[in-house]
Parts: sequence; C-alpha cells; structure tokens
Amino acid sequence: QSALTQPPSASGSPGQSVTISCTGTSTDVGRYNYVSWYLQHPGKAPKLIIYEVTNRPSGVPDRFSGSKSGNTASLTVSGLQAEDEADYYCSSYAGNNWVFGGGTKLTVL
Amino acid sequence: EVQLVQSGAEVKKAGESLRISCKGSGYSFPSNWISWVRQMPGKGLEWMGRIDPSDSYTNYSPSFQGHVTISADKSTSTAFLQWSSLKASDTAIYYCARHVPPSVAGIHDYWGQGTLVTVSS
Repeated sequence: QSALTQPPSASGSPGQSVTISCTGTSTDVGRYNYVSWYLQHPGKAPKLIIYEVTNRPSGVPDRFSGSKSGNTASLTVSGLQAEDEADYYCSSYAGNNWVFGGGTKLTVL
Repeated sequence: EVQLVQSGAEVKKAGESLRISCKGSGYSFPSNWISWVRQMPGKGLEWMGRIDPSDSYTNYSPSFQGHVTISADKSTSTAFLQWSSLKASDTAIYYCARHVPPSVAGIHDYWGQGTLVTVSS
C-alpha cells in the first residue's frame, strides 16, 4: 500500500489561509469518504482535526476545514496562527487497511 | 477521561524480542479498535495494524505482516505490539490509537504518548 502524497512543506503569514493537498488513488481517497487529518507538534502525539473528509471534532476551531475532489483531499487552515505551525498528516481507509500521507510541515512566517 | 497510556522507552539489541503495551482507561476497552502506528526518526506516520479487543481479530499492513504481532487482553484493557526478533530498522516511536465508530473510518480520536524503541546492531 503506497503512502498518500502530500507536499513536504507549506507556509503562510499570520492571518492568511493555506491549503494542503493529499493525493491518493481510486482505491483509497477516491473510493471512500474516510479521510482524516492530524496535526503533530514536535515531540507530541498526533491530534485529530478533521474526520470523514469534512467533519471537525469538538474543540477544533472552525479555522480548519476539509474537502475532497476525486482522488485528492485537501485541508485548509484559515486565519493562520503561530500555534498552527506543525506537521500535518492525512489518512484514508484503503479497504481493510489505512494509509497515511508523508506529512506536510506547515510554517507560519 | 479517556486515556491510552503506553509503556516506557526500550533499548534493545538486534535479534532480541520485545513487547510494548498500551493501556486504555476511561471507556469500555472492548468497544473500540486499537491501531498501532510507527514513526521512524524524522519521518512520517505509518499504519502497522489494528485489533478489535472484543474478539482479538487483527489485520496488518502488508509492510508489517509477519514481522510484528498485535494482541490484546480485555481483562486488563491493554493492547500489545510485539517483535520476536528486532532489527536496527525497527528503531522508531510507536503509537497506539483508538478508533471511533464507524471503525473502518479510521478516526483515531485518542492516541497514546508514544513508546520510543531503540535497537542497536
């Protein structure tokens, strides 16, 4: 099972918006609406921020939003804040398996 | 409060065996699948496999099948990840994570703190 493809890095200034893509195939992202996004600060465990493509767990700010088109899912972070600087990972169900993306390091300039 | 508490860091030699643990509390342990996720130094997350603690059914990523074994003990609300013969390339942080229903959605809402495994050759 190949990892989902994410850009290695992304950046934006405070207050701006940034979108991170996650490209899979017709056997994972394209087939199922089971895409999740996680952020990970250095030395910490991952934290769930988006599930089932567009849903936010309680407590996650609405600055975080998700979408999907075909084999590509996207995470948008609006109104960037310093604490948003982290690594971001997408994940998808792939038929009795789950696969993560390679991760995107988001830098807040 | 839901918690997944993992066992402490391990330092092993290549060829040795190892079992690390993940103890759940604050919820009905058999009700939620547990996955294990590897993070090699400076690298991304890799899904290794999962277990349904209610019946101990497991499935593994093809990348890890045959190299690790996942198990669970309902009586102690603990999941385990074990190796019979470690390799230097097993050096990584290992996380356990709880699935939220629908389990196949792969929604990991709670994670353990991670267990660092260091294997020397």
